[in-house]
Amino acid sequence: DGGITQSPKYLFRKEGQNVTLSCEQNLNHDAMYWYRQDPGQGLRLIYYSQIVNDFQKGDIAEGYSVSREKKESFPLTVTSAQKNPTAFYLCASSTTSGRRASSYNEQFFGPGTRLTVL
Amino acid sequence: KQEVTQIPAALSVPEGENLVLNCSFTDSAIYNLQWFRQDPGKGLTSLLLIQSSQREQTSGRLNASLDKSSGRSTLYIAASQPGDSATYLCAVKGNRDDKIIFGKGTRLHILP
Repeated sequence: DGGITQSPKYLFRKEGQNVTLSCEQNLNHDAMYWYRQDPGQGLRLIYYSQIVNDFQKGDIAEGYSVSREKKESFPLTVTSAQKNPTAFYLCASSTTSGRRASSYNEQFFGPGTRLTVL
Repeated sequence: KQEVTQIPAALSVPEGENLVLNCSFTDSAIYNLQWFRQDPGKGLTSLLLIQSSQREQTSGRLNASLDKSSGRSTLYIAASQPGDSATYLCAVKGNRDDKIIFGKGTRLHILP
């Protein structure tokens, strides 16, 4: 089955601790994304990566870090510097704009990780 | 900076009615626009993807239109059913990079 997996589904963290959220895809997509969703809000972009070993900050990157050492994996670390980390975190992937076929560039999402800071 | 707006924020409609959800964006230099559905506590499910050169896409009871020059897209749902109750989000990918910007969504409730 092709798709995106995120683990764990629920995560609890004590204040002051760093925590890493996992995102893996087997769709052979070049681009991967991390979003944060708060109640009643849309999705806000944290970081995105268009290619291995490269990534760009989104709109709310402060207090987060990422790595892209492999095409399939894009882990997100929520650091203790993030002031309000409790949220629902969603990972997504897509092909990049360089591929022009009409079916490309559709974005696919994982099931999400709900992080709660105690 | 691209901004995406969805109106209304919430909508309740009796079962069987046709309905339209709206999405507007400020920068017309888009690569594509995608409509998603999200059920409570779940990830997003892609419904329709419209490339910038297209004007509409259809899938079953869903039809999405795109008017790039006016910065608008609509999602038309025909013969609504209780199972259509969910939050619907639109997202825009820009021409200049692979950044994707989301609206805040419309929470749809179909009344049985």
